[in-house]
Amino acid sequence: NAGVTQTPKFQVLKTGQSMTLQCAQDMNHEYMSWYRQDPGMGLRLIHYSVGAGITDQGEVPNGYNVSRSTTEDFPLRLLSAAPSQTSVYFCASSPLAAASNQPQHFGDGTRLSIL
Amino acid sequence: LAKTTQPISMDSYEGQEVNITCSHNNIATNDYITWYQQFPSQGPRFIIQGYKTKVTNEVASLFIPADRKSSTLSLPRVSLSDTAVYYCLVGDMVTGGFKTIFGAGTRLFVKA
Repeated sequence: NAGVTQTPKFQVLKTGQSMTLQCAQDMNHEYMSWYRQDPGMGLRLIHYSVGAGITDQGEVPNGYNVSRSTTEDFPLRLLSAAPSQTSVYFCASSPLAAASNQPQHFGDGTRLSIL
Repeated sequence: LAKTTQPISMDSYEGQEVNITCSHNNIATNDYITWYQQFPSQGPRFIIQGYKTKVTNEVASLFIPADRKSSTLSLPRVSLSDTAVYYCLVGDMVTGGFKTIFGAGTRLFVKA
């Protein structure tokens, strides 16, 4: 089972460059989300989506864009990379059930360095 | 969203039982309590979830008192491989606005 797949695993960018972090899940989950984790810190929610065509902002959305054209894919775009965006980025997915808080499945992360 | 408070770090020895307590004084009626484990260079992994009383699985137990203002994750007979960061989350995917918020977590270090 592939679960949640993130690509690339590592990336180095120069300030001002743009790039897209890819996230795909094969579990038919409605809910997908992006987090960033800075060294020694917890995860902070960037954007999330409750289904194809629906996205919303999390705690730290500035400098990032997302789209959800399919259930499977939820790419994260850095518009103009800044050193402050150096971090590890995690994508997660879960079912969206009305009855309970569904645990999220996380990818292995993308380690992004911006020079 | 209910805010959670956990100890920043804990030390233990192999074979001991470890209890990590999380405070969530403002927990709402529909909120569930979920614990995740994160190893270095990996994404968080779901451990256990509960609403009230006690929940047990093959990895851990979760104790929730009647007032639900706190919860305790219990790891029986820890080993070196249990060294990780443990996160307590409180929320409800439907009425909580779908925002799952992680705190700083508790860093557990298991010694030989």
